[in-house]
Amino acid sequence: QLQLQESGPGLEKPSETLSLTCTVSGGSISRSSCYWGWIRQPPGKGLEWIGSIYYSGNSYYNPSLKSRASISGDTSKSQFSLQLSSVTAADTAVYYCVGQRQLQWYFDLWGRGTLVTVSS
Amino acid sequence: ETVMTQSPAALSVSPGESATLSCRASQSVSSNLAWYQQKPGQAPRLLIYGASTRATGIPAKFNGSGSGTEFTLTISSLQSEDFAVYYCQQYNNWPRTFGQGTKVEI
Repeated sequence: QLQLQESGPGLEKPSETLSLTCTVSGGSISRSSCYWGWIRQPPGKGLEWIGSIYYSGNSYYNPSLKSRASISGDTSKSQFSLQLSSVTAADTAVYYCVGQRQLQWYFDLWGRGTLVTVSS
Repeated sequence: ETVMTQSPAALSVSPGESATLSCRASQSVSSNLAWYQQKPGQAPRLLIYGASTRATGIPAKFNGSGSGTEFTLTISSLQSEDFAVYYCQQYNNWPRTFGQGTKVEI
C-alpha cells in the first residue's frame, strides 16, 4: 500500500527557496502508472494544485506560480521534491504531496501535509 | 483558467438528514470532476471521480452526478463522521482547479 510523507523546513525567509521532499513507501515512484505532485492549502483557505511529474521527466505546473515551482524525482530513494523560489508570505501554506494512480488527474493518494511558514 | 464555484459555502444539517452540494464550472469540464472530503487537521480524501464513480472504500451514501458545467454531490443519512469540508476539482482543463469548498456542519 503506497504511503506518502512530506519532510522539510517549517520556516522559510522571504525571497528564499522553499524545498520539500516526499518519500513514497510501499512502492517506487517509477511505477509506470503514477503521476506525483504537490498541492497546497493556505491556512483556512482552499486547495491549489502546484504541479505534477511523471517519473520519466514529463512535468506539468500551474502557471499561477509564474515558473517559481520545480518538481523533480529521485527513483533511487523513491522520493520526489518541490522547490519554490522567491517565496513571500503568500506562500505560507500546508503543502501536501500527492499521487495520481492510473495516470489520472484526480488525486487519490495524499501525504499528511506539512506547514511551511514564510516569515523573516 | 476554469473557475469552480461551490454552493452553498456552508450547510447546516441534522444527523440522519441528507445534504446536497453544488459545484459549477466556468466552462465545460465534461465528466472530469472529482469530489474530496477534508476533516480538520487532515488531508483531503478522494470520494468521487469521473463525476459519479465512488473511489475505493467510499460508501454508497455518497453520490455524485452531473456533467458539463453543473455537478452535485449528495450525501444521504449524515452521520457525525460526515461533517467536514467538501471540495470539487476539475481535471479537464489546465490548470487543474478546485472549488472553494462547502462546509457541512451540524
